[in-house]
Amino acid sequence: GAVVSQHPSRVICKSGTSVKIECRSLDFQATTMFWYRQFPKQSLMLMATSNEGSKATYEQGVEKDKFLINHASLTLSTLTVTSAHPEDSSFYICSAGTGFGTGELFFGEGSRLTVL
Amino acid sequence: GESVGLHLPTLSVQEGDNSIINCAYSNSASDYFIWYKQESGKGPQFIIDIRSNMDKRQGQRVTVLLNKTVKHLSLQIAATQPGDSAVYFCADGGTYKYIFGTGTRLKVLA
Repeated sequence: GAVVSQHPSRVICKSGTSVKIECRSLDFQATTMFWYRQFPKQSLMLMATSNEGSKATYEQGVEKDKFLINHASLTLSTLTVTSAHPEDSSFYICSAGTGFGTGELFFGEGSRLTVL
Repeated sequence: GESVGLHLPTLSVQEGDNSIINCAYSNSASDYFIWYKQESGKGPQFIIDIRSNMDKRQGQRVTVLLNKTVKHLSLQIAATQPGDSAVYFCADGGTYKYIFGTGTRLKVLA
């Protein structure tokens, strides 16, 4: 099946710094990618929809200035957590699909962010 | 609003037995559902999907049942193995953004 790659898989940063997470579709083009956040023992919560060549669509309650999303190409979307705080520590997962409603979304392996 | 929920947070099953994981959804217009398996520290892995024009679909050792009348779907795993231990999520894929249920942790007992 299609492969979605995330990098880095783990990152530790200090409070106040910014962290960038990359999501790549390795063998297909994805005009739309999704970013999720998952706290321990909880489900995946959609943060935003990343659209190639246009602004991301954020879910209610997600600060767009804090979680910057850039989808510069058909195979790459990035999530930047700006001015990170300890409460931003979480598991961030991206996904992409080849055609919504016609097949499954393919998920990355996730990126665990720890903010000290 | 839309919601997808699971009945049991944890399910313990003896190795070799069959497992049944349940999921309820609230959007009667939903027409596509997916089951995912998530192992610790990893992203969700696709297991099986089903469309609303079907009530049953089988894969390798897995079966998904959909009951549209009561808005319920289930995942059945035959001959559960230790490698099946994980958290299982159902997702409502009827819109462009998937809505995930709360998840059920499956523990396989030796």
